[in-house]
Amino acid sequence: DTAVSQTPKYLVTQMGNDKSIKCEQNLGHDTMYWYKQDSKKFLKIMFSYNNKELIINETVPNRFSPKSPDKAHLNLHINSLELGDSAVYFCASSQAGGKLFFGSGTQLSVL
Amino acid sequence: DQQVKQNSPSLSVQEGRISILNCDYTNSMFDYFLWYKKYPAEGPTFLISISSIKDKNEDGRFTVFLNKSAKHLSLHIVPSQPGDSAVYFCAASVVEGGQNFVFGPGTRLSVLP
Repeated sequence: DTAVSQTPKYLVTQMGNDKSIKCEQNLGHDTMYWYKQDSKKFLKIMFSYNNKELIINETVPNRFSPKSPDKAHLNLHINSLELGDSAVYFCASSQAGGKLFFGSGTQLSVL
Repeated sequence: DQQVKQNSPSLSVQEGRISILNCDYTNSMFDYFLWYKKYPAEGPTFLISISSIKDKNEDGRFTVFLNKSAKHLSLHIVPSQPGDSAVYFCAASVVEGGQNFVFGPGTRLSVLP
């Protein structure tokens, strides 16, 4: 069983569209994250949720909205996609004081 | 401002020899450090970690050294194997600070047969 799974793996879409990436973890962790790996390969945190509560919200356009229906799920909705949103998005989870477990990533290409 | 730096974008090592990957950080509040390994088209996977109360942690072929006064850590892989070829990310966090893991830009290791 995959510990942190995210779908889709690849997402190709037109500028201006709205899209969602889903993430689920079966590790029983309390905290989930979204990271973005940009063209320079930096892994930067976007959001962190602890038990469905937003903990970290880095400087991210408000077109990006995370939604956590329960502590095992953290979805990422992106409105009005722009070319600069093209990147690889990673979901991750951790237990308090513990290491991060990552999903396999979603490669988003905005045309 | 980059709080976690990996100044070598790439490193090539002969199979069987030692690989040393370096990482520097600027935030003295960091108290938990991790190394992740990433293959293409996969998510980063955890390799080894070290708490700031230690200066060394070993797990099989992998050893992480922490020098708090220099704000420097290094990952030693010995002996290096071709399957170790990947991108290695250093990460740091403040355990009581909401678990914001800050990553370095990564070092691409190539182990040559």
